[in-house]
Amino acid sequence: DSGVTQTPKHLITATGQRVTLRCSPRSGDLSVYWYQQSLDQGLQFLIQYYNGEERAKGNILERFSAQQFPDLHSELNLSSLELGDSALYFCASSPGQVNSPLHFGNGTRLTVT
Amino acid sequence: AQSVTQPDIHITVSEGASLELRCNYSYGATPYLFWYVQSPGQGLQLLLKYFSGDTLVQGIKGFEAEFKRSQSSFNLRKPSVHWSDAAEYFCAVGFISNFGNEKLTFGTGTRLTIIP
Repeated sequence: DSGVTQTPKHLITATGQRVTLRCSPRSGDLSVYWYQQSLDQGLQFLIQYYNGEERAKGNILERFSAQQFPDLHSELNLSSLELGDSALYFCASSPGQVNSPLHFGNGTRLTVT
Repeated sequence: AQSVTQPDIHITVSEGASLELRCNYSYGATPYLFWYVQSPGQGLQLLLKYFSGDTLVQGIKGFEAEFKRSQSSFNLRKPSVHWSDAAEYFCAVGFISNFGNEKLTFGTGTRLTIIP
């Protein structure tokens, strides 16, 4: 058990809809990362937050947004969903330094129909 | 630009055979290096990490990796694989970006299949 909790485990929704994925980091970790994993794109970094503030942004679409709350949990919001957004979405956490390994949750599998 | 390359998309080895998974990086300074493993339906689990010091690092599940600065490589090895090692393996590199923030970049992964 990595200590990172992601909910829900599975999500099935229709195109055009909006969903929210949730992540609770390991106790004591200040940094939260979101990754998207799909068959054709591999593991893609979306965004990182550190202690409530955006730290780095990767290949995140404008339809996607995220935030980290004062209690350090994070949410990833996906809107105007398209079929191509179907993927595994992982949250990871770390203390926040570059030499700190990431600890991953088990992911949320999103299926857009 | 900084990058991570795992040249082998898929590797098949026999149970009990030795294993080496390749990872090459491109970065001007010494990066922080990690290997992760992902079993089907699971998140990524850290196998080992290299920050500095001894270039041969030991990890969990009997894995080791060697950092070779001259070759910009951090290959993962295991002397004898078990059927339970079948999974996808990711090399990752941490470094300070041109914008001064920390970045962690993953390779595209190597899928390991074990045959009896």
